[in-house]
Amino acid sequence: GENVEQHPSTLSVQEGDSAVIKCTYSDSASNYFPWYKQELGKRPQLIIDIRSNVGEKKDQRIAVTLNKTAKHFSLHITETQPEDSAVYFCATHLTSGTYKYIFGTGTRLKVLA
Amino acid sequence: DAGVIQSPRHEVTEMGQEVTLRCKPISGHDYLFWYRQTMMRGLELLIYFNNNVPIDDSGMPEDRFSAKMPNASFSTLKIQPSEPRDSAVYFCASGGSPGPDGVTQYFGPGTRLTVL
Repeated sequence: GENVEQHPSTLSVQEGDSAVIKCTYSDSASNYFPWYKQELGKRPQLIIDIRSNVGEKKDQRIAVTLNKTAKHFSLHITETQPEDSAVYFCATHLTSGTYKYIFGTGTRLKVLA
Repeated sequence: DAGVIQSPRHEVTEMGQEVTLRCKPISGHDYLFWYRQTMMRGLELLIYFNNNVPIDDSGMPEDRFSAKMPNASFSTLKIQPSEPRDSAVYFCASGGSPGPDGVTQYFGPGTRLTVL
């Protein structure tokens, strides 16, 4: 079945540095890739998404890149701030007649002041 | 827009008791998803509905779990009888009609369930 691998599981960066989280998926038919941020005790919140006909998308300090050939996509956060500290989840969307997401296992990002 | 609403936010119960979790999706959304989140297993999809009809319940762990969606604005997830291993945060999410590449899901605040 579909599998999504997410790395690293934990990431510590100094404030102002960049952070990169990578996900690899197995279903080549996947064509929608959202990223969620979950702060401690809160709900997962969509922060950015990308569709398969786009290679890169940017929203202020956050960007996502997609390589469909290699079946991987990445989240890039620049100029990190303490409020970026959270768990980040990638997901892929299965398109074979279903609307399930398959989530990665999450990356705990800690931004050190 | 109020977003996805869940109740209760916290539930503490004893093993063997019935637990009912409630969800109100975003108005106009016709997809509703129930997830369970634990440290060990991460985010697991339990079941999802489209236009109030259960489409995929393959994630429901066992017969003790059941879900209903009697109308477009309300869904319940019931556990009967509850067990300590059911302790988790249960999220409801909703999504609108899918675009060319699927449906974006918006999560509710979750219900933290503790079964003693």
